[in-house]
Amino acid sequence: NAGVTQTPKFQVLKTGQSMTLQCAQDMNHNSMYWYRQDPGMGLRLIYYSASEGTTDKGEVPNGYNVSRLNKREFSLRLESAAPSQTSVYFCASSEGRGGGYTFGSGTRLTVV
Amino acid sequence: GEDVEQSLFLSVREGDSSVINCTYTDSSSTYLYWYKQEPGAGLQLLTYIFSNMDMKQDQRLTVLLNKKDKHLSLRIADTQTGDSAIYFCAEEGSYQKVTFGTGTKLQVIP
Repeated sequence: NAGVTQTPKFQVLKTGQSMTLQCAQDMNHNSMYWYRQDPGMGLRLIYYSASEGTTDKGEVPNGYNVSRLNKREFSLRLESAAPSQTSVYFCASSEGRGGGYTFGSGTRLTVV
Repeated sequence: GEDVEQSLFLSVREGDSSVINCTYTDSSSTYLYWYKQEPGAGLQLLTYIFSNMDMKQDQRLTVLLNKKDKHLSLRIADTQTGDSAIYFCAEEGSYQKVTFGTGTKLQVIP
């Protein structure tokens, strides 16, 4: 039972490069989320998808785009990476109210 | 907007009890959660409490909720070195929106 799988685990980008972070869940959850975690700032929501076919902005969406490819997969794209996007990115999924979140193990991204 | 606050750091001796505190502002909170994050890993759901409950116990973990004061605590009995981690409080309010605290780093001294 894999849960939430994120790839890659580590990535170094040059300023201006683009990349896509992949996330897949095998729990048949409707809702999926992308967070970034920075020291002293906890988790900040970038984008979420309440169900297949829908996406919405979170607290810090600027510089990011997302795609809910199907029920299982939710990807996060950085079109033109900036050093301010250096962070640890977590994908999570949820079965709904009261179910809590299942998190992936994270992608550690450095933009130089 | 909603806010969830936690102290940044807690140090306890192995075998003692740990109490991690959290305050929140959202009066419409329905569920409150505790997550654990070990180094290099994602967050793992430890336990949760529904807002109409005062207490929930799960083995070594006890969650206390004071809804009037919007105060949540997590007590870990007989704290072990394996409990060293960052603990996040989170509250779920309207429209299933979840707000996380900044995390409390628990250090267990052998």
